[in-house]
Amino acid sequence: AQKVTQAQTEISVVEKEDVTLDCVYETRDTTYYLFWYKQPPSGELVFLIRRNSFDEQNEISGRYSWNFQKSTSSFNFTITASQVVDSAVYFCALKYLGKSTFGDGTTLTVKP
Amino acid sequence: DAGVTQSPTHLIKTRGQQVTLRCSPISGHKSVSWYQQVLGQGPQFIFQYYEKEERGRGNFPDRFSARQFPNYSSELNVNALLLGDSALYLCASSLGYRVPNSPLHFGNGTRLTVT
Repeated sequence: AQKVTQAQTEISVVEKEDVTLDCVYETRDTTYYLFWYKQPPSGELVFLIRRNSFDEQNEISGRYSWNFQKSTSSFNFTITASQVVDSAVYFCALKYLGKSTFGDGTTLTVKP
Repeated sequence: DAGVTQSPTHLIKTRGQQVTLRCSPISGHKSVSWYQQVLGQGPQFIFQYYEKEERGRGNFPDRFSARQFPNYSSELNVNALLLGDSALYLCASSLGYRVPNSPLHFGNGTRLTVT
């Protein structure tokens, strides 16, 4: 069985600060896929980034970057120079054979 | 292009009743999944359908059932509603497990309240 843990329930930062959201997962599968989704107050979950389990190269996309470490089963997500519009609930998810297992989310509040 | 559409937006039912939720995927997406999201928690997997066949089922009772139609739209049925079934029901479409790293594209959900 898969499990995703997001230990940070809520984070509050001031605009332009960098913020890192933590994600730790458990799985016995050797091939799996990791995702981050954003759920703004409007409610619709939106895909942000993904990483294959066999590719540990970390990347940057605009203000987003992610750090995947298979040895520690972690898939952390960083927003650089946060903005008020980044305020939302962020979910980490692990996908295997079509089923996605989500963490309980981290609520990010960015204050002006 | 239209995104994933779900209907109805909100629904209020009484315990013991039955409910049907509907979902239309993004054009070209052959896989539809259903998730239940309780306030303060992440989405919980209920079903996945691909090419009209059930491909996965989560830990939900048999009161929950679903089907996918030839046009890839889907329905989720819940019988004998309980108060605990009150939640946001999310439908998501994707390219399917032939593209295993394809992300989920979610609809706005149906807010079900059971009284």
